[in-house]
Amino acid sequence: GAVVSQHPSWVICKSGTSVKIECRSLDFQATTMFWYRQFPKQSLMLMATSNEGSKATYEQGVEKDKFLINHASLTLSTLTVTSAHPEDSSFYICSARRAGGRDTQYFGPGTRLTVL
Amino acid sequence: KQEVTQIPAALSVPEGENLVLNCSFTDSAIYNLQWFRQDPGKGLTSLLLIQSSQREQTSGRLNASLDKSSGRSTLYIAASQPGDSATYLCAVIVGAGGTSYGKLTFGQGTILTVHP
Repeated sequence: GAVVSQHPSWVICKSGTSVKIECRSLDFQATTMFWYRQFPKQSLMLMATSNEGSKATYEQGVEKDKFLINHASLTLSTLTVTSAHPEDSSFYICSARRAGGRDTQYFGPGTRLTVL
Repeated sequence: KQEVTQIPAALSVPEGENLVLNCSFTDSAIYNLQWFRQDPGKGLTSLLLIQSSQREQTSGRLNASLDKSSGRSTLYIAASQPGDSATYLCAVIVGAGGTSYGKLTFGQGTILTVHP
């Protein structure tokens, strides 16, 4: 159990367009989901914490208006990169924490975003 | 602010060797510590989770230890195999008084190559 999926697994878009990435917990309910960004050969950096039914909490330096996060249900969180630019190209990974469970986070497989 | 450092940054060993990966963290008030494996272009696979009250965890050929007072953890891999080649990430969750603050802080990772 505890499977997290992401869609799409990769996306290429033109500069200025918006891209939506979905993160789903397939077999459990997740009250909290986390979004991370990973640049090549670097570690994961937490972007924001998403709680079901409330506004996301963003880390310092992450633009709220650029990275829109919605956590509308206990199994789905979305990250929308608005007006994407080449510098937004990165590997985006989500994780989900099981409702009422221990503090283990289960990670999705990641989404590779390339902005041309 | 919690900072996590992993040494070495890269390690190349022949098959069959036992090896140790090191992780250090600056704030000893951690809730738990996790070791992850990441294959190129993929998401994270959780290997071991050590609660702050524990000293070590074992899974197969892997053994992770935790010395909270000195801010250190080690991941021991016995009888390494080419399939162990991956990036190994250490991450901590800060917490206090038995309460987790929920956010994972990652180290930069150790790139392990096991050659036949």
